[in-house]
Amino acid sequence: EAGVAQSPRYKIIEKRQSVAFWCNPISGHATLYWYQQILGQGPKLLIQFQNNGVVDDSQLPKDRFSAERLKGVDSTLKIQPAKLEDSAVYLCASRRPGRGELFFGEGSRLTVL
Amino acid sequence: AQTVTQSQPEMSVQEAETVTLSCTYDTSESDYYLFWYKQPPSRQMILVIRQEAYKQQNATENRFSVNFQKAAKSFSLKISDSQLGDAAMYFCAYRGSDMRFGAGTRLTVKP
Repeated sequence: EAGVAQSPRYKIIEKRQSVAFWCNPISGHATLYWYQQILGQGPKLLIQFQNNGVVDDSQLPKDRFSAERLKGVDSTLKIQPAKLEDSAVYLCASRRPGRGELFFGEGSRLTVL
Repeated sequence: AQTVTQSQPEMSVQEAETVTLSCTYDTSESDYYLFWYKQPPSRQMILVIRQEAYKQQNATENRFSVNFQKAAKSFSLKISDSQLGDAAMYFCAYRGSDMRFGAGTRLTVKP
């Protein structure tokens, strides 16, 4: 079974620019998560989708971050405009219905200069 | 909101020895899962072990086992016969109505 796919793996941008990350979850996994992991810290949930509906986006900075999962499969996370403190690894994870564990992608590392 | 606390930022173990990583959590939910994830440097987060809260028996996966104390809300990970490849960040995680991670414990394995 193919794992969670993320792209790009690395991105360097200037502050105030925009960036988008893409995630394709494992086939059949209805639940999709986006996490932000700042160096040396644990992952922080940004948004959780169930199919194409948002379950939890309470920690998503909505003034600059947006995410969508239009067809209930792949998802895009966008940051516009980026700030220095957005430098982090953005992790996508998915989970099948009824199962506990999350499966993670390799992450997208963002550096904001 | 549920919180997960890992009180050991760093731990070190000699190769072939045993080490225990600590985790406590706070929740008012009765149905949940607990996990330990391993994250090697610049590599993917992978599941080490999982525990369903309704199960009294502690989970084991080869050299990895947990000590789940539901009343105390404690969930420690024991790694036996430590290997160099065990060196990584270890994250304790809780999944109930949401999914939360601890801050992590960096494990160093000394040859």
